[in-house]
Amino acid sequence: SAVISQKPSRDICQRGTSLTIQCQVDSQVTMMFWYRQQPGQSLTLIATANQGSEATYESGFVIDKFPISRPNLTFSTLTVSNMSPEDSSIYLCSVGNRGFEQYFGPGTRLTVT
Amino acid sequence: DQQVKQNSPSLSVQEGRISILNCDYTNSMFDYFLWYKKYPAEGPTFLISISSIKDKNEDGRFTVFLNKSAKHLSLHIVPSQPGDSAVYFCAASARGLRMYSGGGADGLTFGKGTHLIIQP
Repeated sequence: SAVISQKPSRDICQRGTSLTIQCQVDSQVTMMFWYRQQPGQSLTLIATANQGSEATYESGFVIDKFPISRPNLTFSTLTVSNMSPEDSSIYLCSVGNRGFEQYFGPGTRLTVT
Repeated sequence: DQQVKQNSPSLSVQEGRISILNCDYTNSMFDYFLWYKKYPAEGPTFLISISSIKDKNEDGRFTVFLNKSAKHLSLHIVPSQPGDSAVYFCAASARGLRMYSGGGADGLTFGKGTHLIIQP
């Protein structure tokens, strides 16, 4: 399985600011995914990021709030924009094939004050 | 509307005994099921999966059972070891369906997890 790293591992941010989370994979992958895990909740898919095309967002998530970049086959970023305390979550990127096993990065723990 | 449910937030089992983690789902379009294990401050790690054409899949100490008529699956760990203490997530996907609301066919739909504690 691929080795996935994320930066930052954690951050504390002020309300109204934005944070960009980076995801780096040690091999080329077609599909990358971004998930959110709010406290006490399950992992929820935010969007699917494919290289060379617009990200596909799930119901309840919009590009203005969570813009995603996928400049190449080993890297992606997720930005959490205009943050509020409700955005405090663990954000995870993953790689894998559509509907099959996915392999996750270590996550970014975000706290918004 | 939770499509994948893990009704036990925590489970305590003695070392050496069998651990049984349960998962129920509501979406009949799900046709592939997975179990993940998560330690604190780490991402989920894939454990084992099962396709809807099977009712059992085994990998070492881990066995997953699928009961499609009951929309229920379970993960058995035998024997349980201290290193098994973690949060276990059940996940599902609808690989045969490209477009549906509530999650999309590309991603996985997760339960809330069960915290397994192995007592020495």
